[in-house]
Amino acid sequence: NAGVTQTPKFRILKIGQSMTLQCTQDMNHNYMYWYRQDPGMGLKLIYYSVGAGITDKGEVPNGYNVSRSTTEDFPLRLELAAPSQTSVYFCASINAGGETQYFGPGTRLLVL
Amino acid sequence: QKEVEQDPGPLSVPEGAIVSLNCTYSNSAFQYFMWYRQYSRKGPELLMYTYSSGNKEDGRFTAQVDKSSKYISLFIRDSQPSDSATYLCAMGNTGANSKLTFGKGITLSVRP
Repeated sequence: NAGVTQTPKFRILKIGQSMTLQCTQDMNHNYMYWYRQDPGMGLKLIYYSVGAGITDKGEVPNGYNVSRSTTEDFPLRLELAAPSQTSVYFCASINAGGETQYFGPGTRLLVL
Repeated sequence: QKEVEQDPGPLSVPEGAIVSLNCTYSNSAFQYFMWYRQYSRKGPELLMYTYSSGNKEDGRFTAQVDKSSKYISLFIRDSQPSDSATYLCAMGNTGANSKLTFGKGITLSVRP
């Protein structure tokens, strides 16, 4: 039981490049989330999913896309990277009742 | 007024002290309240999850919710150096699996 895994751990992108942040969970949770965390700030919700094939926008979705083809995987796609997307990205999965939650270790992204 | 306000930090206390961390909120629709602990360069972990006014205790941690005053607190008794971390409050309308609004977090340092 690995919990939530995220890859890569760290990445430097040039402005305009694209990349996919990977997130996988092995707990069969339906609810999965992508957050970004900027220094001194709380977590901001980018996108979330309540099950395979279902995704919805969070508070700060612009510049990002997601897909959820399986229960286990919830990748986050950055198109045309901008310096404003420099942040730490966390993926989380939660059980239906909400009392069991796991966050991944995060992906640190630097856009130059 | 921001939806969730968290006491600014950082906070430094001696080992054994009682710590009080607080958040206020403006959205009366919030029904579920969480506290997360985040160690440096790690993902957040759920500490406490409550959905009613009153107190909930778990070991050295007590979560307090006052919906009438729109105020939540986390108390840490007999604080330990291992409690040194950033603490984030979060709130949701329909559960921990709903879209959550996070406070900015407060960094706590417990001095041996």
